[in-house]
Amino acid sequence: GENVEQHPSTLSVQEGDSAVIKCTYSDSASNYFPWYKQELGKRPQLIIDIRSNVGEKKDQRIAVTLNKTAKHFSLHITETQPEDSAVYFCAASGLGLTGGGNKLTFGTGTQLKVEL
Amino acid sequence: EPEVTQTPSHQVTQMGQEVILRCVPISNHLYFYWYRQILGQKVEFLVSFYNNEISEKSEIFDDQFSVERPDGSNFTLKIRSTKLEDSAMYFCASSQPGRTEAFFGQGTRLTVV
Repeated sequence: GENVEQHPSTLSVQEGDSAVIKCTYSDSASNYFPWYKQELGKRPQLIIDIRSNVGEKKDQRIAVTLNKTAKHFSLHITETQPEDSAVYFCAASGLGLTGGGNKLTFGTGTQLKVEL
Repeated sequence: EPEVTQTPSHQVTQMGQEVILRCVPISNHLYFYWYRQILGQKVEFLVSFYNNEISEKSEIFDDQFSVERPDGSNFTLKIRSTKLEDSAMYFCASSQPGRTEAFFGQGTRLTVV
């Protein structure tokens, strides 16, 4: 089955700096890669996603890049703010490949801390 | 904005007891999922459900687990005989056919003592 590795496990940046979180996946059939933000004690919330037919996607301060050949994808947050502090999870899915809808395999998470 | 709702928010149970976690998916969604997250660890897939049957399950989802859609709105996860290691946050999620985003509920924290 799919295995997703995520690095780093913790990341501290100064407010205004950029943050980059990287993930690799093992199953070349995976075709959908969402990123979730999880604040303490709350549900994971989708912040951006990318499908395998696209190499990059941007939404304001957040961008995701995908390298299918190397099987890795990254989250980029620019101009970080204290409210960006949370745990970020990458995930991978093989949309439409099985009858299972959108089964997500998650990475191990990155605790991002944005310091003033 | 429609959202997935879960009850209870926190459940404490004794080892060996049965628990039922309840979820109300978003009304026009047809795929339903359960995930769990042990404290401080990653979110893990348990099971997906479509058209009134399990479509995929993980190795975690053994015989002590079952899922059911008892009516047109609820989706439940039953753990027959809870163990200490079942203590975790359990998230329900739902999605629409042909759409990528899975929407998560706020979770049920299960504590087995």
